[in-house]
Amino acid sequence: SSELTQDPAVSVALGQTVRITCQGDSLRSYYASWYQQRPGQAPIVVIYSQNNRPSGTPDRFSASSSGNTASLTITGAQAEDEADYYCNSRDSGGNHLFGTGTKVTVL
Amino acid sequence: QVRLVQSGAEVKKPGASVKVSCKPSGYTFTGYYMYWVRQAPGQGLEWMGWINPKSGGTKYAQKFQGRVTMTRDTSISTVYMELSRLRSDDTAVYYCARDYMGFDYWGQGTLVTVSS
Repeated sequence: SSELTQDPAVSVALGQTVRITCQGDSLRSYYASWYQQRPGQAPIVVIYSQNNRPSGTPDRFSASSSGNTASLTITGAQAEDEADYYCNSRDSGGNHLFGTGTKVTVL
Repeated sequence: QVRLVQSGAEVKKPGASVKVSCKPSGYTFTGYYMYWVRQAPGQGLEWMGWINPKSGGTKYAQKFQGRVTMTRDTSISTVYMELSRLRSDDTAVYYCARDYMGFDYWGQGTLVTVSS
């Protein structure tokens, strides 16, 4: 199905590691990208084409994929990482999809 | 530097149309596809479609087929997204976003409110 499913919310202690997952059939064939959105702001890309970091993305962000699941990992979470995160991919018809979003809380 | 500047907030009645503009600067206008994404209040991101500014070619999400039109004016390096037959659930922030290394630059967003 053309849907990308994410856990609604996760929490992580400051300095610890958190993994955010994204599930969907299209991920078996197409790379995921990941977007961070802070309240009241436009999204920003933190990972594109599976595991490429734009120059402004800290190296504590990494991504991987296996089967129908893509994952974004934040290693050593910081307070500024508290935000909503969305995965994005496409399907065989050239349609783009966004995941349902995960709210990350840093404790 | 790259910037995408969108037009201002709009209030529309149900059944009306809205046209949102997005003017990029800092790069070659025809060099990158432009996507439109919307976000209803408290909700997630929703892909609406894209336009190729060079050719004018478009692709729309099935959900918006027949109601959305994306165009460009190369003389003023501006892309447009027009949504017709507005409903209350079209109330959202509408973003344009450049497609290069992911959606690497986004406009500031345009709030469209549909209310009678």
